[in-house]
Amino acid sequence: GQSLEQPSEVTAVEGAIVQINCTYQTSGFYGLSWYQQHDGGAPTFLSYNALDGLEETGRFSSFLSRSDSYGYLLLQELQMKDSASYFCAVWEDSNYQLIWGAGTKLIIKP
Amino acid sequence: ETGVTQTPRHLVMGMTNKKSLKCEQHLGHNAMYWYKQSAKKPLELMFVYSLEERVENNSVPSRFSPECPNSSHLFLHLHTLQPEDSALYLCASSPDRSSYEQYFGPGTRLTVT
Repeated sequence: GQSLEQPSEVTAVEGAIVQINCTYQTSGFYGLSWYQQHDGGAPTFLSYNALDGLEETGRFSSFLSRSDSYGYLLLQELQMKDSASYFCAVWEDSNYQLIWGAGTKLIIKP
Repeated sequence: ETGVTQTPRHLVMGMTNKKSLKCEQHLGHNAMYWYKQSAKKPLELMFVYSLEERVENNSVPSRFSPECPNSSHLFLHLHTLQPEDSALYLCASSPDRSSYEQYFGPGTRLTVT
């Protein structure tokens, strides 16, 4: 079957760095995406990795290792507004669909 | 203006009711999607429309009926739902079906009583 595994909840302190891991097992793979969703809000696109390595966008970075079927989202200089759920999703090229993880709730403490 | 809008934001309906969810995108995209989001579960893709033509129906019960009258509007018609259908229903759009970046609306919180 197809599955993405990510921790259900992560807690961190304001100003710190946190890493949210995602491992995947899918029949097809073209790239790994990350989305952010605040409570009551819409999921919003954060990043996409099709090749191995680290992609940096401001305070957020995303990493992919295709050989390990693994990726992570790295959030630096955490701010209270980063409290949200973060979803990893595999983009399947076979049928142009996103296969989603169950999400990681990030709790930030002052 | 918000890229993808959904109405209503909240809906409570009985199992014998008929209701419709509406989605509108102002981004000029050609693909639109319906997802179901339940607590602590992955988003479930329900339907995909590309250029107003349904291209995916992921084994969704017939009590859910989508309609895409044009590339900017998407509806989800609901009838004789079950309590387990209570969830957040999200609409999304993308430039085309092969685009991995999707733009979501805020969702309709549906409660079936």
